[in-house]
Amino acid sequence: DARVTQTPRHKVTEMGQEVTMRCQPILGHNTVFWYRQTMMQGLELLAYFRNRAPLDDSGMPKDRFSAEMPDATLATLKIQPSEPRDSAVYFCASGLIPGQGRGEQYFGPGTRLTVT
Amino acid sequence: EDKVVQSPLSLVVHEGDTVTLNCSYEVTNFRSLLWYKQEKKAPTFLFMLTSSGIEKKSGRLSSILDKKELFSILNITATQTGDSAIYLCAVVMGGAGKSTFGDGTTLTVKP
Repeated sequence: DARVTQTPRHKVTEMGQEVTMRCQPILGHNTVFWYRQTMMQGLELLAYFRNRAPLDDSGMPKDRFSAEMPDATLATLKIQPSEPRDSAVYFCASGLIPGQGRGEQYFGPGTRLTVT
Repeated sequence: EDKVVQSPLSLVVHEGDTVTLNCSYEVTNFRSLLWYKQEKKAPTFLFMLTSSGIEKKSGRLSSILDKKELFSILNITATQTGDSAIYLCAVVMGGAGKSTFGDGTTLTVKP
């Protein structure tokens, strides 16, 4: 049963610390998305990749957030330095580009980040 | 700017009621519209719609798309408490498949 995995599931850290979240997309999927979800803002797209190349990261605060795909089995989202307003659930999702698949995204379980 | 608007934002019904959730959109290069259900964890896929007028059905859930008027509806008949969730609408744009999500409709079904 293929699924997207994310680590860690929960992270509590102090303001100013670096946070790295990891995602393993479903094998064979060629698009990867990072989302942030809060009660106030709902689901926000932070960045997405196609065939490991970053296509759009306009949703991320560039000064502190970075997203990479060092290989097809790993996507990372890094926050440095973290701030309390970064507290949220961060979801990774993967899928196939339209035409190769139906376009739906399969979500990981999320990383719940709390920055104190 | 691409936009997806869902209504109502929240809805409280009793078991057995029928509900209709709405999703309207304004996007460039529309490819498909997706519905997701989110309970306490991550969103899970329900339907994908690409053509107008063709109803998708899965048990008590059904959905239809109107590409001329730029909206979709999700119907749930004979609601159950297990239907309580946030229902998200997303529009997939062509090319790399970027999605824009609506804010969701929070459905609460009371026994």
